[in-house]
Amino acid sequence: GQQVMQIPQYQHVQEGEDFTTYCNSSTTLSNIQWYKQRPGGHPVFLIQLVKSGEVKKQKRLTFQFGEAKKNSSLHITATQTTDVGTYFCAGGTGGFKTIFGAGTRLFVKA
Amino acid sequence: NAGVTQTPKFQVLKTGQSMTLQCAQDMNHNSMYWYRQDPGMGLRLIYYSASEGTTDKGEVPNGYNVSRLNKREFSLRLESAAPSQTSVYFCASSVTGGFFSDTQYFGPGTRLTVL
Repeated sequence: GQQVMQIPQYQHVQEGEDFTTYCNSSTTLSNIQWYKQRPGGHPVFLIQLVKSGEVKKQKRLTFQFGEAKKNSSLHITATQTTDVGTYFCAGGTGGFKTIFGAGTRLFVKA
Repeated sequence: NAGVTQTPKFQVLKTGQSMTLQCAQDMNHNSMYWYRQDPGMGLRLIYYSASEGTTDKGEVPNGYNVSRLNKREFSLRLESAAPSQTSVYFCASSVTGGFFSDTQYFGPGTRLTVL
């Protein structure tokens, strides 16, 4: 079946270092969403990408959608302790179902 | 405007017991979803309801049933709980599921342990 693979599973960084998580789909996606889940919390929507090659920025966060609409990345510049949590990508397959990646858990050491 | 609410927040069951997880949203959303989250597994879709009056199976429906009671409420029932159903359950809603999957708004989750 359709899968969305996300790497790495964990990432430890020193505060101020950059961080990137990657998503790869086995099939072409209609769109991709990114969510953040703080420890003990629930997923919260960050952004949606729809167009091939699309790049969007939110302050220190940069999101990219691949040309083939099969991969995506989230890059955080100069991480802060408030960035701690798990970042999920979610691939749209056309319709109601969204396939979530397993998430990348980010640890930031002050 | 509470968004998506879930009850209970925590529950411990014995194997074979039944229970219903409740979910309600006040955002007038058409679509609602139930996910389970296990360590290292991400979010897996159990059932979803595209609109009031319809329900469909997701990725892991076995052992669960759902009811879309009205536009606001979507419940998840475990008829005979098993230890493998120990997980965190999230309810979510979205405006509508069209060609582009909509932003989903998640509830706070129910942490279920089956002994």
